[in-house]
Amino acid sequence: AQSVTQPDIHITVSEGASLELRCNYSYGATPYLFWYVQSPGQGLQLLLKYFSGDTLVQGIKGFEAEFKRSQSSFNLRKPSVHWSDAAEYFCAVGMDSSYKLIFGSGTRLLVRP
Amino acid sequence: DGGITQSPKYLFRKEGQNVTLSCEQNLNHDAMYWYRQDPGQGLRLIYYSQIVNDFQKGDIAEGYSVSREKKESFPLTVTSAQKNPTAFYLCASSTGTGLTDTQYFGPGTRLTVL
Repeated sequence: AQSVTQPDIHITVSEGASLELRCNYSYGATPYLFWYVQSPGQGLQLLLKYFSGDTLVQGIKGFEAEFKRSQSSFNLRKPSVHWSDAAEYFCAVGMDSSYKLIFGSGTRLLVRP
Repeated sequence: DGGITQSPKYLFRKEGQNVTLSCEQNLNHDAMYWYRQDPGQGLRLIYYSQIVNDFQKGDIAEGYSVSREKKESFPLTVTSAQKNPTAFYLCASSTGTGLTDTQYFGPGTRLTVL
């Protein structure tokens, strides 16, 4: 069965520091991969997605993610974090034959001034 | 302004009562979804609808019901049969149900059972 693991429940970084949020998935074929961000009490916003092609994907707000098939990973990165990036981040995976997204449990990002 | 609205933002319910959560979209999207979010967990799909007058159960449909009488509206009823209804409920819509169709989310409704 498909699954998505976000091993870090919380991450704290200083403003201006770089960020990497981890996401590992379990799926036999090439998955459809997504990163969403959720501000407190709000809905989710799509940051970026990967379907095929270039394994380094650029998204909104300066985020990028890299698909590594050998590691079954799709980690999210940002070179310099801003205080407004504090939020919860969700990785999600889907199969091309299905409508359904499987979400990870999320990583809460805290930003130190 | 195009988008998805959910109302109310906060909802309190006594045990044994049914309650209906509203979701409206003006994006002209065919597909709509309801998700449930619990603390420390990802989103879980309750129901989805690909087109008006059609809807399908998701992973956790028990204790919930939906209708899709209009393209722009997809209300969710949490019935008294739902054993643990306190959660954050998110509605989403997309142009289709393929994974290349980005899902856009509403701001959510937080339901608390007293």
